[in-house]
Amino acid sequence: NAGVMQNPRHLVRRRGQEARLRCSPMKGHSHVYWYRQLPEEGLKFMVYLQKENIIDESGMPKERFSAEFPKEGPSILRIQQVVRGDSAAYFCASSPGIGTLNTEAFFGQGTRLTVV
Amino acid sequence: GQQLNQSPQSMFIQEGEDVSMNCTSSSIFNTWLWYKQDPGEGPVLLIALYKAGELTSNGRLTAQFGITRKDSFLNISASIPSDVGIYFCAGDNYGGATNKLIFGTGTLLAVQP
Repeated sequence: NAGVMQNPRHLVRRRGQEARLRCSPMKGHSHVYWYRQLPEEGLKFMVYLQKENIIDESGMPKERFSAEFPKEGPSILRIQQVVRGDSAAYFCASSPGIGTLNTEAFFGQGTRLTVV
Repeated sequence: GQQLNQSPQSMFIQEGEDVSMNCTSSSIFNTWLWYKQDPGEGPVLLIALYKAGELTSNGRLTAQFGITRKDSFLNISASIPSDVGIYFCAGDNYGGATNKLIFGTGTLLAVQP
């Protein structure tokens, strides 16, 4: 049973370009969470999605960031017109659904975005 | 917003020593979690605590959920080189119903063989 798969592992973008980060949850998991980790900091919650629905986007910047989790395919975190301050590690976690314990949620290995 | 303060920021110890780190918050949490993150990897859950006062062990690791629900500590006994990494506490206000977490700033642990 494959774990949470994130790709790419490393992504380099020039300022002004778009970054697309993908997350395939564990088999049987229908809920996805995205977190951002700046260098030498803890993870910060960004958005919580289930298939075709955004449940909580209270941690998402108001502009340039969007997330989706379509009926088919991976969850996508999209950052438009990237700036240097977007450079960070972006982690995805998945869980079976509401009411399940934290012990049933797992993190991917992350995508490290570098904006040059 | 809610913040978790973790201490110490870093620890450099000899193999075999015991380690203690803690996490405090200005507000109450319903769940406390401890994660370990290796370089270039995602966090891995070590221990989850769901009740105030709860003391839980996982091998050489022991964690407690503070009685005030505003703090938690993690102890590692008889440290070994593979314990090296960054340890994060995290709080959850949803009783574990979701995985929307607030993370601490981390404690970097280095173990000298």
